[in-house]
Amino acid sequence: SQTIHQWPATLVQPVGSPLSLECTVEGTSNPNLYWYRQAAGRGLQLLFYSVGIGQISSEVPQNLSASRPQDRQFILSSKKLLLSDSGFYLCAWSGGTGKNWYEQFFGPGTRLTVL
Amino acid sequence: AQTVTQSQPEMSVQEAETVTLSCTYDTSENNYYLFWYKQPPSRQMILVIRQEAYKQQNATENRFSVNFQKAAKSFSLKISDSQLGDTAMYFCAFMRGAQKLVFGQGTRLTINP
Repeated sequence: SQTIHQWPATLVQPVGSPLSLECTVEGTSNPNLYWYRQAAGRGLQLLFYSVGIGQISSEVPQNLSASRPQDRQFILSSKKLLLSDSGFYLCAWSGGTGKNWYEQFFGPGTRLTVL
Repeated sequence: AQTVTQSQPEMSVQEAETVTLSCTYDTSENNYYLFWYKQPPSRQMILVIRQEAYKQQNATENRFSVNFQKAAKSFSLKISDSQLGDTAMYFCAFMRGAQKLVFGQGTRLTINP
């Protein structure tokens, strides 16, 4: 079966510091990968998605970037965090064997607080 | 641009009752997919049910069913025999071929014992 991992689970960072959040998927190959952000009390907003290694599409201009160095690894980064980057970050995947291509499955998320 | 609207910020029902959560969406597309996700206090997003727009039959998953009205662009979720474990935020989401999910603002559902 497929599983998705995110770490860290919780992160507190000062303004201006760098960021690296990691997401990995197990049990499938060549998945589509996604980064979402959820602000407090709100729905999810798609930030980035990737259909393959090195292929990244950005949905919202911002202080963040994403990379996919390996097939099942997706990284969200920032060189200098802003207060507005605080939120709950969720990674998702789709396209696994035996799954409908349009169904997305989410990781446990990372709660980021920028002070 | 596609938008998804959930007009009920909060709902509360007694255990074993039936509850319906509303969702409307705006699109000019003909082929698309609709979803309901559940987010319990753990904040894990869990897929509850999905509906393909080309299917006229409403989707059903155990106690969960949808009322899909394509012409009205309405996609409501009905939870029958509600349980305490159904307490969560529920998000309606829309997707077309680009695999990009657009979420509503969510409905906070509380099941009371």
